[in-house]
Amino acid sequence: QAVVTQEPSLTVSPGGTVTLTCGSSTGAVTSGHYPFWFQQKPGQAPRTLIYDTNNKHSWTPARFSGSLLGGKAALTLSGAQPEDEAEYYCLLAYSGPWVFGGGTKLTVL
Amino acid sequence: EVQLVESGGGLVQPGGSLRLSCAASGFTFSSYWMTWVRQAPGKGLEWVAIINPDGSEKYYVDSVKGRFTISRDNAKNSLYLQMNSLRAEDTAVYYCAQVRSGYWGQGTLVTVSS
Repeated sequence: QAVVTQEPSLTVSPGGTVTLTCGSSTGAVTSGHYPFWFQQKPGQAPRTLIYDTNNKHSWTPARFSGSLLGGKAALTLSGAQPEDEAEYYCLLAYSGPWVFGGGTKLTVL
Repeated sequence: EVQLVESGGGLVQPGGSLRLSCAASGFTFSSYWMTWVRQAPGKGLEWVAIINPDGSEKYYVDSVKGRFTISRDNAKNSLYLQMNSLRAEDTAVYYCAQVRSGYWGQGTLVTVSS
């Protein structure tokens, strides 16, 4: 089964911009992996932020955006807020089993 | 309002079985692929299994193949996960979800311990 890699931790200043990435052991991440991004805060269920690379839900703050960047899926946060401090997971859909990344702990400091 | 409500978790001995249920409401359950995701204590999310709308396609993470079975009853708007030969490493909160639509349950805790 594929391995999906994310940065273990990142720090961003309030109001700053940060990009989280999601790579695949099988090669470049493409739109065919339908990249998803989830936010999870302690004690809560995950929340879907982005699906199919760059599509947002009604509850997804406009400061979050998804893309493909350098063979990886990317989640960019522009104008970080204290409430964005959380764990972020990507998910890639392979033909058959899907695979989550290990998560990125984002600190807003 | 969309709701996914898991049930059936609890404490089970190694080698035992449990059946998780997920009751769906507020959306056309029979039209959607549904997924089980788990999270061990203090760990990340792990994708477990997925089933297509009519139940004819199912996929599993390697670690549960042959032990877990995902199924659904569209007449009852319900998703299931039959878990057999449980191991300590299956201890986790189990979520049912329609990840693309952003529908997640609150999870049910499964603890495998003697």
